[in-house]
Amino acid sequence: AQTVTQSQPEMSVQEAETVTLSCTYDTSESNYYLFWYKQPPSRQMILVIRQEAYKQQNATENRFSVNFQKAAKSFSLKISDSQLGDTAMYFCAFMKHGRETSGSRLTFGEGTQLTVNP
Amino acid sequence: GAGVSQSPSNKVTEKGKDVELRCDPISGHTALYWYRQSLGQGLEFLIYFQGNSAPDKSGLPSDRFSAERTGGSVSTLTIQRTQQEDSAVYLCASSLSLGGGETQYFGPGTRLLVL
Repeated sequence: AQTVTQSQPEMSVQEAETVTLSCTYDTSESNYYLFWYKQPPSRQMILVIRQEAYKQQNATENRFSVNFQKAAKSFSLKISDSQLGDTAMYFCAFMKHGRETSGSRLTFGEGTQLTVNP
Repeated sequence: GAGVSQSPSNKVTEKGKDVELRCDPISGHTALYWYRQSLGQGLEFLIYFQGNSAPDKSGLPSDRFSAERTGGSVSTLTIQRTQQEDSAVYLCASSLSLGGGETQYFGPGTRLLVL
């Protein structure tokens, strides 16, 4: 079974600064996918960024980038130029590769509440 | 529709009553998922559908929970004889297909409160 751990329950950052959220995972799989989702107070889970484990290059989406360390099973999210709208709960999630029975379920970490202060 | 929709947005019920939660996936998405988000358990997977078929029901917490999907579209999660521990936010997601790391798009959830 896979586990995902987010060791920072809460974090805060000043507007325009950079913040990094940590995520580690445990799996025996060699091929898988990793995701960061954000959940603002509206409850809607929104995809932030996606990483394929077989790709060594770190994914980037505008102000959001990841540091994927496969050997260390670490997948941190860096938010640059933080904005007030980035305030949300951030979840790291793992998905196995393949279409077998449990292949598509997401396994989530506990979440990190990020507050961006003006 | 533009995104995944869920209804009702909020539901308050009395212990022992049955409830039905509805999910409308993104048009054309063949895979549909239900998750539960609660304070004690975090985000947990309940069940997924490929078309109208649910091959793996092992994530459902008890036999009081059931789900169906009709016409490859709308899905209903039914909780019979609700208990207070069923209070949670129930999230639905859909993806274009199953597996392959397809991105799951989530609805806004249904907040269930069992009194």
